[in-house]
Amino acid sequence: ETGVTQSPTHLIKTRGQQVTLRCSSQSGHNTVSWYQQALGQGPQFIFQYYREEENGRGNFPPRFSGLQFPNYSSELNVNALELDDSALYLCASSSRAGGSYNEQFFGPGTRLTVL
Amino acid sequence: AQSVTQPDIHITVSEGASLELRCNYSYGATPYLFWYVQSPGQGLQLLLKYFSGDTLVQGIKGFEAEFKRSQSSFNLRKPSVHWSDAAEYFCAVGASNTGNQFYFGTGTSLTVIP
Repeated sequence: ETGVTQSPTHLIKTRGQQVTLRCSSQSGHNTVSWYQQALGQGPQFIFQYYREEENGRGNFPPRFSGLQFPNYSSELNVNALELDDSALYLCASSSRAGGSYNEQFFGPGTRLTVL
Repeated sequence: AQSVTQPDIHITVSEGASLELRCNYSYGATPYLFWYVQSPGQGLQLLLKYFSGDTLVQGIKGFEAEFKRSQSSFNLRKPSVHWSDAAEYFCAVGASNTGNQFYFGTGTSLTVIP
């Protein structure tokens, strides 16, 4: 069973640029959530995708957007990067069926640095 | 609104000593509760979870946690800490009314001294 994978591992961008982060969910999982973890903080929920549609969003501006593909992998896109976007971005996959909820399995994260 | 509080930012214990990490949550319904551990530069690993049933749950690496509804708490315990337990620990609550969205505490950093 393959776990959650994320790419790239590290990324350096400058202010105003755009970035795309990728996540492959664990086998059998149909839900992907994205979190931002600033240094010294707990992860903050960005949004969740279920069956290719956004299924909940945290307090993040519209320049944070995402996609989920038919194979349940996902992308997080951030436009007009700001210095405060520097963080570890975590992807988590889970299985949602019949209204039941299960734990989320996290990937190793992508460390984004905005200069 | 849902929230999680971890009152202890940093805890230092001696190897072999017992450990208790505190977690308090705010949520109107029955919560789904989790403890995760994060080593430096790594993702989050699930230690244990509570969905329903027995309020004392066992997890991996010898950890356990007890759900106390009256105190809105879900404290993590370990009877004897090992040096390899040094890491950041996060408590999280899952909000059933918003799918699998998790709310995390700010974490407790654990240092283990010989």
